[in-house]
Amino acid sequence: EVQLVESGGDLVQPGGSLRLSCAASGFTFSNYAMSWVRQAAGMGPEWVSVISDSGDTTYYADSVKGRFTISRDNSKNTQYLQMNSLRAEDTAVYYCAKAGGSTVRGTRIDYWGQGTLVTVSS
Amino acid sequence: DIQMTQSPSSLSASVGDRVTITCRASQGISYFLAWFQQKPGKAPKSLIYAATTLKGGVPSKFSGSGSGTEFTLTISSLQPEDFATYYCQQYYSYPYTFGQGTKLEIK
Repeated sequence: EVQLVESGGDLVQPGGSLRLSCAASGFTFSNYAMSWVRQAAGMGPEWVSVISDSGDTTYYADSVKGRFTISRDNSKNTQYLQMNSLRAEDTAVYYCAKAGGSTVRGTRIDYWGQGTLVTVSS
Repeated sequence: DIQMTQSPSSLSASVGDRVTITCRASQGISYFLAWFQQKPGKAPKSLIYAATTLKGGVPSKFSGSGSGTEFTLTISSLQPEDFATYYCQQYYSYPYTFGQGTKLEIK
């Protein structure tokens, strides 16, 4: 059974930093691209970032480019999202998502974690 | 960016009804379209990908159609557990974008 467990969400002040983690199990982690998707309260999901199976290719939404960094450690079956220069508009539930394939192009999301809440407020 | 527009935004239906939700892309996305179901306080759940392919374990009451710019999700014989919010998403080009959602409510 695929399991994706996020952690690291917290209350942080504007301008602060946070690192989210996603521990994966139930599949061969190193064979799949992984994503982060966020959802603000009452809104639809917003794709944030994706990383290829090997970690050598990444893409970001314009809203987070230059502030967020996605990474993965295939030896630990874990992906990360380093979030810097956080803004109030980054407040959302952040979901870890597994892709249906190894590449970052044309690959659907097939599983989601339960999410972790990030609140940016003073 | 590719804009995804769903209609209607909300829909009231009764148990046993058949409903259809439409998703339109601002440019052609071939068949790179997925549908998700989300219940309050829960993560989205994958239903359909490649516009028409049902994910394993998803009941056959769910079906998808379309290609290019216009897509539909049809749910037949609605049951209480089907009342939720449904989202379409294009994965043709980055940034991947979602529709605004269709909230399916019990009449």
